[in-house]
Amino acid sequence: DAGVTQSPTHLIKTRGQQVTLRCSPKSGHDTVSWYQQALGQGPQFIFQYYEEEERQRGNFPDRFSGHQFPNYSSELNVNALLLGDSALYLCASSLVLAGGGTDTQYFGPGTRLTVL
Amino acid sequence: SQKIEQNSEALNIQEGKTATLTCNYTNYSPAYLQWYRQDPGRGPVFLLLIRENEKEKRKERLKVTFDTTLKQSLFHITASQPADSATYLCALPTSGGSYIPTFGRGTSLIVHP
Repeated sequence: DAGVTQSPTHLIKTRGQQVTLRCSPKSGHDTVSWYQQALGQGPQFIFQYYEEEERQRGNFPDRFSGHQFPNYSSELNVNALLLGDSALYLCASSLVLAGGGTDTQYFGPGTRLTVL
Repeated sequence: SQKIEQNSEALNIQEGKTATLTCNYTNYSPAYLQWYRQDPGRGPVFLLLIRENEKEKRKERLKVTFDTTLKQSLFHITASQPADSATYLCALPTSGGSYIPTFGRGTSLIVHP
């Protein structure tokens, strides 16, 4: 049973460019969350997708957008890249519970984005 | 929103000793608290969840306590091993009723043989 997978592993972009990161959730999971983790910091929540819609969003600008596909996989898009966007981008999948919350999150290995 | 404080300095201990990591939070009291382990360049791995009505929870060599009066959780690893060396993150719900976690910056644990 494959866990959460992310691609690419590493990515180097220049300021102003756009980037797309991809995530496949753990088998049986229907919810995908994206996090940004700067060096030496904890992961910061960007947004969560469920049933192909953005369910919740953290304090990130509109340059960060996402999408969830019918097979539950997800993409994170970042436009007009800034130097400060350099970070490890983590995807986490989970299962929505009957009460509306989500079960334990399983994280992928992350995509290391470097903006020059 | 929740603010979480974890020791930013690395904790160095000798193999076989008990490692104790601290997580302090401000603002409201969360319904639960989670601990994760993160290895360099990898995603966090969920370890334990403790609810507000639980004082203590154990899993193998791990023990977590939750003191809602002190607004603090302690994470213990007994009989520590070099393989336990990693960063340990504390996470709490972002706000009351939220299922989105806010993470602390983590504490690095280094177990020396």
